[in-house]
Amino acid sequence: DAGITQSPRHKVTETGTPVTLRCHQTENHRYMYWYRQDPGHGLRLIHYSYGVKDTDKGEVSDGYSVSRSKTEDFLLTLESATSSQTSVYFCAIRGSTGNLSGNTIYFGEGSWLTVV
Amino acid sequence: AQRVTQPEKLLSVFKGAPVELKCNYSYSGSPELFWYVQYSRQRLQLLLRHISRESIKGFTADLNKGETSFHLKKPFAQEEDSAMYYCALRGGGYQKVTFGTGTKLQVIP
Repeated sequence: DAGITQSPRHKVTETGTPVTLRCHQTENHRYMYWYRQDPGHGLRLIHYSYGVKDTDKGEVSDGYSVSRSKTEDFLLTLESATSSQTSVYFCAIRGSTGNLSGNTIYFGEGSWLTVV
Repeated sequence: AQRVTQPEKLLSVFKGAPVELKCNYSYSGSPELFWYVQYSRQRLQLLLRHISRESIKGFTADLNKGETSFHLKKPFAQEEDSAMYYCALRGGGYQKVTFGTGTKLQVIP
């Protein structure tokens, strides 16, 4: 167990509304990631963070922003949700402390987002 | 650029039959390769990584640098192996991990 918690786990929202997903980790890992999972596309990296206030874009970052004001929390925001952002969102960390293997990605349980 | 290709979207095998899930990669340096498994509506879990050369749940995978492949194999499929399997690559010196599009393994009783 990598101590990753995602919230909310399920959300339905309307097109054009802002949405924030939260990823919380308890083990002081430096690297955190947001992926989206879609049929036929697998997992695609949205944004990642390599430290507090240090973030960078992944391959599908358009329409998303992130913030990391403290080590344990990595927030993903959809400023104005669109139907194409209906997906399952997974937060992940790179193992670096405790019993987790270094260079291995560990995932949260996922957040199901539906934009109607 | 790094790329991972899983050519099969769905692989159906009978219980007790051998399984091979294909993974090919593209990367100019020395990559780290992983296999992840995702059971229905659950999180992705690490199945194995090439540098540890271990066997998990009867699965093995060997990195073939000449063919740039990292195929996942199991000699006798079990019903509980039914899941989505993702191959992933981490390039050196950068923390980005790239995933393939996944293969759904269906084991028929």
